[in-house]
Amino acid sequence: GNSVTQMEGPVTLSEEAFLTINCTYTATGYPSLFWYVQYPGEGLQLLLKATKADDKGSNKGFEATYRKETTSFHLEKGSVQVSDSAVYFCALSLWDSNYQLIWGAGTKLIIKP
Amino acid sequence: DGGITQSPKYLFRKEGQNVTLSCEQNLNHDAMYWYRQDPGQGLRLIYYSQIVNDFQKGDIAEGYSVSREKKESFPLTVTSAQKNPTAFYLCASNTGGYGYTFGSGTRLTVV
Repeated sequence: GNSVTQMEGPVTLSEEAFLTINCTYTATGYPSLFWYVQYPGEGLQLLLKATKADDKGSNKGFEATYRKETTSFHLEKGSVQVSDSAVYFCALSLWDSNYQLIWGAGTKLIIKP
Repeated sequence: DGGITQSPKYLFRKEGQNVTLSCEQNLNHDAMYWYRQDPGQGLRLIYYSQIVNDFQKGDIAEGYSVSREKKESFPLTVTSAQKNPTAFYLCASNTGGYGYTFGSGTRLTVV
């Protein structure tokens, strides 16, 4: 079946540190891949996406590259800020499953000043 | 501005009571979804609707009911049959492809 696995949190970093949150997937077809962010007490916002292999999604200093050979979509940021503290969700979607999202469990990121 | 409005933001339910969570969108999206989020867990799909007057069960539909009488509205009722309803509930809509929009959520607590 289709699934998404994320690294467990919380991940605690100091401001300006380099961030990596790992995400790997299993899919029967050719998924599109997403990172969503959830700030405390709020809904989810799309952070970035990639729809085919080798695509790189980027937004607000965050990047993720769709690696088909390793079935991965790791989230990276070169220098994190306190305002990046949130829960980050990796997800996949398949057009032949009516674009329904399959979610990872989420990774809580805590940035200390 | 277009978006999804969920209300109320906080809701308290007594044992044995049914409660209804509202979800309204003005994005003209055909598909709408309800998710449940528990602490430290990902989102689980409760129900979804791809067109007016039609909806399908998701992974955890037991104890919940929905209706889709209008394109803009997709209310979720948490019935007394749902034994553990305390959670954060998120509504989303989709244009039929990969573009999901989420509401800001309703936090339901059993008292």
